[in-house]
This record gives sequence, structure tokens and C-alpha cells, in this order.
Amino acid sequence: GQSLEQPSEVTAVEGAIVQINCTYQTSGFYGLSWYQQHDGGAPTFLSYNALDGLEETGRFSSFLSRSDSYGYLLLQELQMKDSASYFCAVRDMGFKTIFGAGTRLFVKA
Amino acid sequence: DTAVSQTPKYLVTQMGNDKSIKCEQNLGHDTMYWYKQDSKKFLKIMFSYNNKELIINETVPNRFSPKSPDKAHLNLHINSLELGDSAVYFCASSQVGGQGVYGYTFGSGTRLTVV
Repeated sequence: GQSLEQPSEVTAVEGAIVQINCTYQTSGFYGLSWYQQHDGGAPTFLSYNALDGLEETGRFSSFLSRSDSYGYLLLQELQMKDSASYFCAVRDMGFKTIFGAGTRLFVKA
Repeated sequence: DTAVSQTPKYLVTQMGNDKSIKCEQNLGHDTMYWYKQDSKKFLKIMFSYNNKELIINETVPNRFSPKSPDKAHLNLHINSLELGDSAVYFCASSQVGGQGVYGYTFGSGTRLTVV
């Protein structure tokens, strides 16, 4: 079957660094993406990794290791507004993008 | 505003009714999708159209029927609504049939409540 595993919840304090891991098992792999979703809002695209390594976009970075079927999202200098759900997503063969169950991030003052 | 817009934002209806959700994107994308997000926030693909052609049709009850009159529009019609259909339905679009470096752009969602 196809599956993406990520922690259900993570809590961190303002100003800290937090890492959200994602392991995947899919039929074919065309890249790992990360999305942010605030309560009541729509998922918004954060990053995409097709090749191994680290991609940095401002305070957010995303890492991929295809040999380990593993990636993570790194959030630095956490702010209260970063409290949201974060989804990893993999595009498999046939244009289908499969989402993980989401990690709820709580940022405390 | 460039975006993916879907209507209505909220839909409350009785069991057995038929309802439609409309979606339009003005981003020039060639692929559109319908996702269902349940109460546990799990996002599940339902359908995808690429240039008006159905390319993904997941195991969805045939009470759900998508229609794409052109590549900028993708509507979802649901017949004989059931309690289990209550969820948030998201429309999304992307370019070149995949996520790529630009990802999916999601609409704001339609919260469907069946009573």
C-alpha cells in the first residue's frame, strides 16, 4: 500500500527550531512537498524536494533522502503564527499526490 | 485576484438532497483536483482533470460526479447526500499535471454538513 508517516503533534516554544519528519512508502516517487494549513484555512504550498538534499526558503527548510524514503521540514525562529498543521505529500505515478495525515504544531510563548 | 475560487463556502443540507460545488481557477493551470478533508484533517484525492480529461478517479461512490467544461473550471455534483459526506471539500490546481516546484494552489474549501 501507499503511506506517509508523520508525527501527529509537535510542541515548541517561540524562537526555537522544530523538525517535522516524514517517511513515505509509495508506488513511484516524483518529489516530496510540504503544505501548511491553519485552522479553517486552505493548505498552502511551502516547499518541494525532488532531489536529495536541503532546500531553504527563509525560515523554512526541507530535506529529502530518497534512499531512506525520508524527509523533514525544519522551521526556525518559530513564531506564534507558525501554529498550524503541516502536511507532507508525495506525488506517485499517475499524477496522484498523496498527503500524510498532518502534524499539528503548537507554538508556545 | 489570481486564485482558485470555489463556491459555496458553506453548505448545509438534508440527507437525500443533491448539491453542487463550483470551482474556478485563473492561474492558467492545466490540471485541477478535488480533495476531501475529513474531521481528522486527512486529505484524500477524489478526482483530477487535465485539460478537461479525467485522469484520476479514486474509489469514490458514483453519487459523486465531477464535470470540467473547460480547463479553468471543475465542478462537483453530489447526488443523494449521506451523513458520511460531511467534510470539507477542496478544489486545487497545478501546472503540468503535478506538484513540481510550485505545488498545488488550493481553493478556500467548501464545508459540507449533511443533517
